[in-house]
Amino acid sequence: GAVVSQHPSWVICKSGTSVKIECRSLDFQATTMFWYRQFPKQSLMLMATSNEGSKATYEQGVEKDKFLINHASLTLSTLTVTSAHPEDSSFYICSASAATGYEQYFGPGTRLTVT
Amino acid sequence: QKEVEQDPGPLSVPEGAIVSLNCTYSNSAFQYFMWYRQYSRKGPELLMYTYSSGNKEDGRFTAQVDKSSKYISLFIRDSQPSDSATYLCAMSGTSGSRLTFGEGTQLTVNP
Repeated sequence: GAVVSQHPSWVICKSGTSVKIECRSLDFQATTMFWYRQFPKQSLMLMATSNEGSKATYEQGVEKDKFLINHASLTLSTLTVTSAHPEDSSFYICSASAATGYEQYFGPGTRLTVT
Repeated sequence: QKEVEQDPGPLSVPEGAIVSLNCTYSNSAFQYFMWYRQYSRKGPELLMYTYSSGNKEDGRFTAQVDKSSKYISLFIRDSQPSDSATYLCAMSGTSGSRLTFGEGTQLTVNP
């Protein structure tokens, strides 16, 4: 299957700082990328959908000014958590979908801890 | 009512057993169906994807879709301890669009 990477795999930051998470499709061009967060023992919660070159579409209840998403190329999307607070601590996972198929391939996830 | 219902388990079986995992859904617009496996602290891994009603087999895994009943299943034959993970069903209405996930079923295969 296709490979999606995320960087970093884990990050600890202080409250009030910003953190950027990268998501890359390594062997295919991803016209659409998705960002999810997942709390322990819960399913994935979609945060936003981004198409290359367009503004991201955020799910209801997700603060677009807090979770900045950029999909600048067909292989890279970034999620920036601005002014992070302890309640933003979570497991963030991206997925990518190519134009020609409907499968979504997931990255390995990034564990964010805000102290 | 949730769009996708999945029994969270936990489900515990002995090694070698046949495992049956199921999801029901209410939205008739769903056309694409997927099963993902997620190990602890990892991203989901795509196991199976299907479009039409019927069966699809890949190794020890068989995915079954019954659109008339709005019911999908994943069967795992000759289960192994390495199959211990959370299994998520997911579905979407159009190609490449957002997925709606089930809650996930936690499976443990005991040696």
